[in-house]
Amino acid sequence: GIQVEQSPPDLILQEGANSTLRCNFSDSVNNLQWFHQNPWGQLINLFYIPSGTKQNGRLSATTVATERYSLLYISSSQTTDSGVYFCAVKSTSGTYKYIFGTGTRLKVLA
Amino acid sequence: DVKVTQSSRYLVKRTGEKVFLECVQDMDHENMFWYRQDPGLGLRLIYFSYDVKMKEKGDIPEGYSVSREKKERFSLILESASTNQTSMYLCAVPGTGGDYSNQPQHFGDGTRLSIL
Repeated sequence: GIQVEQSPPDLILQEGANSTLRCNFSDSVNNLQWFHQNPWGQLINLFYIPSGTKQNGRLSATTVATERYSLLYISSSQTTDSGVYFCAVKSTSGTYKYIFGTGTRLKVLA
Repeated sequence: DVKVTQSSRYLVKRTGEKVFLECVQDMDHENMFWYRQDPGLGLRLIYFSYDVKMKEKGDIPEGYSVSREKKERFSLILESASTNQTSMYLCAVPGTGGDYSNQPQHFGDGTRLSIL
């Protein structure tokens, strides 16, 4: 089945810094989402982005489906950005399942 | 937007108990999912339901069963809880509109289950 790899696994930033999180996937996808899991365990939808670029405030995401990767950009990071960021994809092979990466754990220091 | 409600945020049970985790959605959606999340492993699908009384096994169904008697409620059952089932459990429902298979997933707040 499709494999999803996220990098880096851990990231520590000073408040105000920018960062790029990467999600690589091994097969064609028709569905890709980025999530933020806050310290209380809640999974928050950030982007639904099977292709193209989207922006929402300080966050933006780009998916290049033909090259099988997606990037999540965080600019001017804040301590509230801390948590785990997950990428989840759905293969074009017809399965209903989302496959999740193992996440990037981000800590933003004040 | 889709609202997904899980009955408990935290739950502590004993080995051998039968445990029920409940998930309720407000959008009359056919599809509902149960995942568990463990450190370093991401989210893994336990079971999926595509309609009332219809279910499919996910990647890690062993030790679990599910029940979908009404469209809005999807229950995950630990038949005889074991310590290796201590985990975070998350219920998900696709978003609204169009082809459900290509809608983003919306998650409940999760249940942190500890089996002692």
